Amino acid sequence: DTGVSQDPRHKITKRGQNVTFRCDPISEHNRLYWYRQTLGQGPEFLTYFQNEAQLEKSRLLSDRFSAERPKGSFSTLEIQRTEQGDSAMYLCASSYAGLGNTIYFGEGSWLTVV
Amino acid sequence: GEDVEQSLFLSVREGDSSVINCTYTDSSSTYLYWYKQEPGAGLQLLTYIFSNMDMKQDQRLTVLLNKKDKHLSLRIADTQTGDSAIYFCAERDTGTASKLTFGTGTRLQVTL
Repeated sequence: DTGVSQDPRHKITKRGQNVTFRCDPISEHNRLYWYRQTLGQGPEFLTYFQNEAQLEKSRLLSDRFSAERPKGSFSTLEIQRTEQGDSAMYLCASSYAGLGNTIYFGEGSWLTVV
Repeated sequence: GEDVEQSLFLSVREGDSSVINCTYTDSSSTYLYWYKQEPGAGLQLLTYIFSNMDMKQDQRLTVLLNKKDKHLSLRIADTQTGDSAIYFCAERDTGTASKLTFGTGTRLQVTL
């Protein structure tokens, strides 16, 4: 297993367009998280899945953001009608509930809204 | 709510020890983590410590936890230029999500 995989690594989009990011967690991990990181800041929690159920969403996740994990494996994060303030790195992480306490992050997806 | 604070910058000479400090507010935190981030990259898990431990050592890394003062530190022995990066401290909440709250990161610069 190569760890948490994210795609695309970089995305430049025009304001108002929709973008979608994909995350493939470590294969046996049942928990999946999305975080957002802006320049000079630490990552901030956006949302969390246990298997296919989205169990918690941050107030940072406006209604333009939607995340899915349809089969409890990979997840997508879609941002509709992007705004310049959405420019950030979107990080995915995964872990296995009940076995250890390691939470592994992917390499992130950079979004630039112009 | 949870809050995690770190100093912004640390400069050390190659071969010296680095000590990166962190304070947190949530006394019920179960685990505390250290992550490393190199430019343009994601977060690399370095180590973590359970809240009922005082110390954890892993090769060149030593984590010290003072639960009374809610103070966590990461010591890197024999610091190398490859250790130059941003180091994040994070606390894990006790809720079902086990989500992490991160500090703003400490940039470690290693000079020759």
